[in-house]
Amino acid sequence: QKEVEQNSGPLSVPEGAIASLNCTYSDRGSQSFFWYRQYSGKSPELIMSIYSNGDKEDGRFTAQLNKASQYVSLLIRDSQPSDSATYLCASEAVSWAGGTSYGKLTFGQGTILTVHP
Amino acid sequence: EAGVVQSPRYKIIEKKQPVAFWCNPISGHNTLYWYLQNLGQGPELLIRYENEEAVDDSQLPKDRFSAERLKGVDSTLKIQPAELGDSAVYLCASSLQGWRRTEAFFGQGTRLTVV
Repeated sequence: QKEVEQNSGPLSVPEGAIASLNCTYSDRGSQSFFWYRQYSGKSPELIMSIYSNGDKEDGRFTAQLNKASQYVSLLIRDSQPSDSATYLCASEAVSWAGGTSYGKLTFGQGTILTVHP
Repeated sequence: EAGVVQSPRYKIIEKKQPVAFWCNPISGHNTLYWYLQNLGQGPELLIRYENEEAVDDSQLPKDRFSAERLKGVDSTLKIQPAELGDSAVYLCASSLQGWRRTEAFFGQGTRLTVV
């Protein structure tokens, strides 16, 4: 089982619709969760972070976290063609080395989103 | 503020040749990561540094890959010798702190093609 799994996609939605991206994680020790957007040929760009159960809204983006179900989601309202990209979910779990704790960031495989006019 | 800077952006080499990638993290970021990303996949961690110390290199193929981060700032990732399967994008990222709520920022990446 992969540590972070995303819905396989690709996901296609019409312009103006809500895009829903889902992610599950296996490490119950994970504390922090992130959504990155990656345009084709570009590097990942951090768009949302969430640390507590519930919803976190930022403009058209809403991240949702349910630690009991080990589930993270990203909703994009009023989707635009410019939102077309690969969305990467990442979780951070604490790891230990030399007696010191560090965050270990693990990514899912990504979900390709296409917003068509 | 300048972001994470990587060079070169593209590299084409013949198999069995050596190659090196360079990364300059965001100023003040003590944590530096090297990730590998294959087409259609998410980034996979190769090595993570806290200052100059490599704290997680469990996924680094140490028979051919090496990395260093002298003085806890710039870092270099080397492959010697390169194999066809090493063709991928190599991403460097940095963050301000090493644990909890680690917001990592990526460089532009180096696309390696081994022929």
